[in-house]
Amino acid sequence: RKEVEQDPGPFNVPEGATVAFNCTYSNSASQSFFWYRQDCRKEPKLLMSVYSSGNEDGRFTAQLNRASQYISLLIRDSKLSDSATYLCVVNVGGKSTFGDGTTLTVKP
Amino acid sequence: GAVVSQHPSRVICKSGTSVKIECRSLDFQATTMFWYRQFPKQSLMLMATSNEGSKATYEQGVEKDKFLINHASLTLSTLTVTSAHPEDSSFYICSASSGDYEQYFGPGTRLTVT
Repeated sequence: RKEVEQDPGPFNVPEGATVAFNCTYSNSASQSFFWYRQDCRKEPKLLMSVYSSGNEDGRFTAQLNRASQYISLLIRDSKLSDSATYLCVVNVGGKSTFGDGTTLTVKP
Repeated sequence: GAVVSQHPSRVICKSGTSVKIECRSLDFQATTMFWYRQFPKQSLMLMATSNEGSKATYEQGVEKDKFLINHASLTLSTLTVTSAHPEDSSFYICSASSGDYEQYFGPGTRLTVT
């Protein structure tokens, strides 16, 4: 079993749609959690950290459920510019493990 | 946010030669730097973790004699791919951390070995 597993995708949605990505992790000692965005042939960029209380940044909402070892990312009112691969990242002792990513394509 | 640079951004080399990739933290001191490799349509795979002034810690399956890592200062780490082969062709990305959990990624280096 992979340490970090994500929805395989790809997700193809129309502009304005709401889309949710899920991620599970296997190491219960995991300490911090992030969602990164990676555009084609570019480096990953931090989208947001994920906290147990949940956090929201504009159209993006991230949730963490430590009991279920589950992380989610919700994108509301999708824009064309949201098209990218979204990576779930789990950190243990300063070492990050990346999920394989979920590809989102937002279409006009 | 913090800035990390990588050089070169793209390199093509012949099989059997060595290639050095530099990773620099431009506006902060990076106590730890990470080197990742990403093959097409795959996720980032951690190759090694380096702390300034000490030997790098390599992930299982990564040959330390082939991928030489030097972290000589708090702003510079280098990865040297020795005796490169076509299967080493990949996207190499470094990231730097100042000690908290956040990592700042460099723009990556695309290596093609012919």
